[in-house]
Amino acid sequence: GENVEQHPSTLSVQEGDSAVIKCTYSDSASNYFPWYKQELGKGPQLIIDIRSNVGEKKDQRIAVTLNKTAKHFSLHITETQPEDSAVYFCAASPPPGTGTASKLTFGTGTRLQVTL
Amino acid sequence: DVKVTQSSRYLVKRTGEKVFLECVQDMDHENMFWYRQDPGLGLRLIYFSYDVKMKEKGDIPEGYSVSREKKERFSLILESASTNQTSMYLCASSLRSGGADTQYFGPGTRLTVL
Repeated sequence: GENVEQHPSTLSVQEGDSAVIKCTYSDSASNYFPWYKQELGKGPQLIIDIRSNVGEKKDQRIAVTLNKTAKHFSLHITETQPEDSAVYFCAASPPPGTGTASKLTFGTGTRLQVTL
Repeated sequence: DVKVTQSSRYLVKRTGEKVFLECVQDMDHENMFWYRQDPGLGLRLIYFSYDVKMKEKGDIPEGYSVSREKKERFSLILESASTNQTSMYLCASSLRSGGADTQYFGPGTRLTVL
């Protein structure tokens, strides 16, 4: 099955700096790579995703890049703000089998702390 | 907005008890999932369901069972709770589009087994 590794496990940046979180995956069939943000006391929430037919996607201050050859993808947050402090999870999903659901395999999470 | 609700935010049970965790979604999603979240291990899939009465094992199904009698409701059952099942349990749902689908999560249930 799929295996996703995520680094670093903790990341501390100053407000206004950039943050980068990296993930690698093992299953070359995976074609969907979402990123989730989990704030304290809440469930994870999707912030951005990328599919295997594109190499980069941006949404305001966040961007995701995908290198299918190397099987790794990264989350980039620019101009970080205190409200970016949270735990971030990457995930990977191969196409679903016939008649069943697509499943996500998650990384182990990165705790991002944005300091003033 | 999609809403996924879980019956309890916090639950304390004793070893050997039968425990039911309930999850309800209001967006007519076909797929529903149960994960457990532990520090340093991320989210691990326990079971999922792609239709009423249909279920599949995830990566860590041992010690758990599930029930989906109605489309909107997915229950996780701990037949005989053990201390190593103390964890945060997260429910999620997704629409089945034939491809990869966004999963929407509930707020979680923190279960402590004493």
